[in-house]
Amino acid sequence: DARVTQTPRHKVTEMGQEVTMRCQPILGHNTVFWYRQTMMQGLELLAYFRNRAPLDDSGMPKDRFSAEMPDATLATLKIQPSEPRDSAVYFCASGDAREGGYGYTFGSGTRLTVV
Amino acid sequence: AQKITQTQPGMFVQEKEAVTLDCTYDTSDQSYGLFWYKQPSSGEMIFLIYQGSYDEQNATEGRYSLNFQKARKSANLVISASQLGDSAMYFCAMREGYGGATNKLIFGTGTLLAVQP
Repeated sequence: DARVTQTPRHKVTEMGQEVTMRCQPILGHNTVFWYRQTMMQGLELLAYFRNRAPLDDSGMPKDRFSAEMPDATLATLKIQPSEPRDSAVYFCASGDAREGGYGYTFGSGTRLTVV
Repeated sequence: AQKITQTQPGMFVQEKEAVTLDCTYDTSDQSYGLFWYKQPSSGEMIFLIYQGSYDEQNATEGRYSLNFQKARKSANLVISASQLGDSAMYFCAMREGYGGATNKLIFGTGTLLAVQP
């Protein structure tokens, strides 16, 4: 089965450090989503790209977060500087234009802990 | 703006019984899709079932069915014959518009289901 690959799976970092999370979408999927999951806020959409162009990043704190797609096989989410409140699970998902329920595929997530 | 509401933070069900997880939604779009995902303690997001806004029949996938009441804007998930492995967090989600999975999904807050032996 095709998979969305996220790296790293786990990351512990000190406050103030830069964090980069990577996502390899499924080949042929033209849309990539970044979600953040916390106990308090649930699953929030941070940003998404279609054909590598950013469509919506309104959910992302602009001062410290940035998301890019340098090419069709890689999406990155960076936090600089990181803060303890950024501790969460970050999911990447990719999708294509198939109608129905099977278009979205989620990665396994990056569990980020900022101490 | 689109919104998904899940009013049950947690639920218990006895093994082999049926359980209904509630979901209501709000949208001004005529075309939309409704999804249910399961998230076990391992953390992955598992797609369960999908209902398109123009689908006249309720969706079914094995032991899962979606009770779609368009006028009431509700999309409840029914799990029949609960199993211990069904214990997990369940999320309802909505996508507005056409375009398959190229539009954003908005999630509800989830319902934590515990299946008791």
